Amino acid sequence: NAGVMQNPRHLVRRRGQEARLRCSPMKGHSHVYWYRQLPEEGLKFMVYLQKENIIDESGMPKERFSAEFPKEGPSILRIQQVVRGDSAAYFCASSDTTGNNEQFFGPGTRLTVL
Amino acid sequence: AQKVTQAQTEISVVEKEDVTLDCVYETRDTTYYLFWYKQPPSGELVFLIRRNSFDEQNEISGRYSWNFQKSTSSFNFTITASQVVDSAVYFCALSEADDYKLSFGAGTTVTVRA
Repeated sequence: NAGVMQNPRHLVRRRGQEARLRCSPMKGHSHVYWYRQLPEEGLKFMVYLQKENIIDESGMPKERFSAEFPKEGPSILRIQQVVRGDSAAYFCASSDTTGNNEQFFGPGTRLTVL
Repeated sequence: AQKVTQAQTEISVVEKEDVTLDCVYETRDTTYYLFWYKQPPSGELVFLIRRNSFDEQNEISGRYSWNFQKSTSSFNFTITASQVVDSAVYFCALSEADDYKLSFGAGTTVTVRA
């Protein structure tokens, strides 16, 4: 049973470009969470999605960031017009329910903005 | 408000020494979950343990042990007879029962020297 998959593992963008980060949850999981880890810091919650619904985006920056989890396909975290401060590791986690708070993490995508 | 505090930023030990990582948490919920994750230099997050608030039994898994003390809101982690492969950043995290978000501490970097 494959774990949570994220791609790309490393992404380099120039300021002003768009970054798209993909996350495929574990088989059977319908809940996806995105976390951001800035350099030298712990992970911070960004957004929680279920299929076709954003449940909680309280941790998302108000501008340039968006997330989706379509009926088919992976969850996408999209960052428009990236700036240097967006450089971070972005982790996706998935769960089958929220009842036991057990989230399984992917390997992360390391975004570098030049 | 910071929910999880890892006061130790960095710990350096010589191989075979024991090392204890402190974690203090803050919550008003009576039901909650505590976690420890390891982040080796390769960057992925490795799940180590999950403990619910009703289970105060200490746990041992090989060279790892955890001490959960509700009275002091602490969930400390000890690595016995440390090895170079234990070098990593270790994160403590909290999840409240009515909230799916994981709140992470800032992490403790452990360096084990040969």
